[in-house]
Amino acid sequence: GENVEQHPSTLSVQEGDSAVIKCTYSDSASNYFPWYKQELGKGPQLIIDIRSNVGEKKDQRIAVTLNKTAKHFSLHITETQPEDSAVYFCAASLVGYSTLTFGKGTMLLVSP
Amino acid sequence: DGGITQSPKYLFRKEGQNVTLSCEQNLNHDAMYWYRQDPGQGLRLIYYSQIVNDFQKGDIAEGYSVSREKKESFPLTVTSAQKNPTAFYLCASSKEAAYEQYFGPGTRLTVT
Repeated sequence: GENVEQHPSTLSVQEGDSAVIKCTYSDSASNYFPWYKQELGKGPQLIIDIRSNVGEKKDQRIAVTLNKTAKHFSLHITETQPEDSAVYFCAASLVGYSTLTFGKGTMLLVSP
Repeated sequence: DGGITQSPKYLFRKEGQNVTLSCEQNLNHDAMYWYRQDPGQGLRLIYYSQIVNDFQKGDIAEGYSVSREKKESFPLTVTSAQKNPTAFYLCASSKEAAYEQYFGPGTRLTVT
């Protein structure tokens, strides 16, 4: 089955800096890659996703890039703000399967 | 106002008791999922259902049971056979299997 590795496990940045979280996946047949943000005590919220037919997608301060050859994808957050502090999860979906495989998460801390 | 509801938010039980966690959605989604979240473990899939009256085991189904009698509802029973039931439980749904899963607020279960 699919295996998703996520790095780093924790990331501390200063307000206004950029943050990058990286994930690698094992099966080249995976075709859907979402990112979730989870605030303390709440359920994860889908913030951006990308399908394998595109290499990059942006939504205001967040962007996701996909490198199918290297089997990795990344979340980029620019101009970070304290409210960006949360745990971020990446995931991958394998063609023909009905479920997502999640990474173990990255705790992002943005200091004022 | 569409969404996924989980109740209760906090649940306390004595060891040896079965307990049922509620999950309801009014998004008209076909697929529903149950995940377990432990610190540092990410999200692990317990059960999922793509259609009414049908469900499949996920990666950690032992000690759990589910039913899907209505499209809107997917309750999870944590049985006394689950050796370490204390965790944060998340329900999710999606219109199309695997893609764009939306999560509920979660139920924190504590068994003593």
